[in-house]
Amino acid sequence: AQKVTQAQTEISVVEKEDVTLDCVYETRDTTYYLFWYKQPPSGELVFLIRRNSFDEQNEISGRYSWNFQKSTSSFNFTITASQVVDSAVYFCALSELTGANNLFFGTGTRLTVIP
Amino acid sequence: EAGVAQSPRYKIIEKRQSVAFWCNPISGHATLYWYQQILGQGPKLLIQFQNNGVVDDSQLPKDRFSAERLKGVDSTLKIQPAKLEDSAVYLCASSEHGSPYEQYFGPGTRLTVT
Repeated sequence: AQKVTQAQTEISVVEKEDVTLDCVYETRDTTYYLFWYKQPPSGELVFLIRRNSFDEQNEISGRYSWNFQKSTSSFNFTITASQVVDSAVYFCALSELTGANNLFFGTGTRLTVIP
Repeated sequence: EAGVAQSPRYKIIEKRQSVAFWCNPISGHATLYWYQQILGQGPKLLIQFQNNGVVDDSQLPKDRFSAERLKGVDSTLKIQPAKLEDSAVYLCASSEHGSPYEQYFGPGTRLTVT
């Protein structure tokens, strides 16, 4: 069965600091997808990234970067030079290609960026 | 492009009452999802529709929850009768294709059962 662990429940950083959100997953499938979503105070989950299990290249998008390591079953998310607008709950999620391919979410990490 | 619409945004009911939530997905999105998000937890899938057919409802408590998507567009989720533990945010999402493609979420309906 799949499992997504986000061990950091809450993180606080001062504006302009870098912060890394950890995500560790478990799956028996060899083909799967990993996602990160952002949930700001408004409540809507916002899609950030999708990565398939065969693509271990790190990705950078502006101040965001993702580090995918199959060897440690981790898919960590780093925000560089954090801003107050980054304050939100961030969810890591897993989708296996067997069954109904549904998204299975972790419990989330609440990030607070202090001005 | 309009996003996923949900209504109402907030609802307070007493236990044993019934309640219904409405969702209108992004135009052209064939797949629609309903999630339950309990405070402090990640969203949990309740049901997935592909057009007007059910793909997965294995996590839906069918003794009290029901959902329909009659014309393959908007959808309604109903709870009857509600229990205290149903207090949560109910999120609707849609995607152009089924999983594992990105899903677009609505603002959710916050349900409080007293």
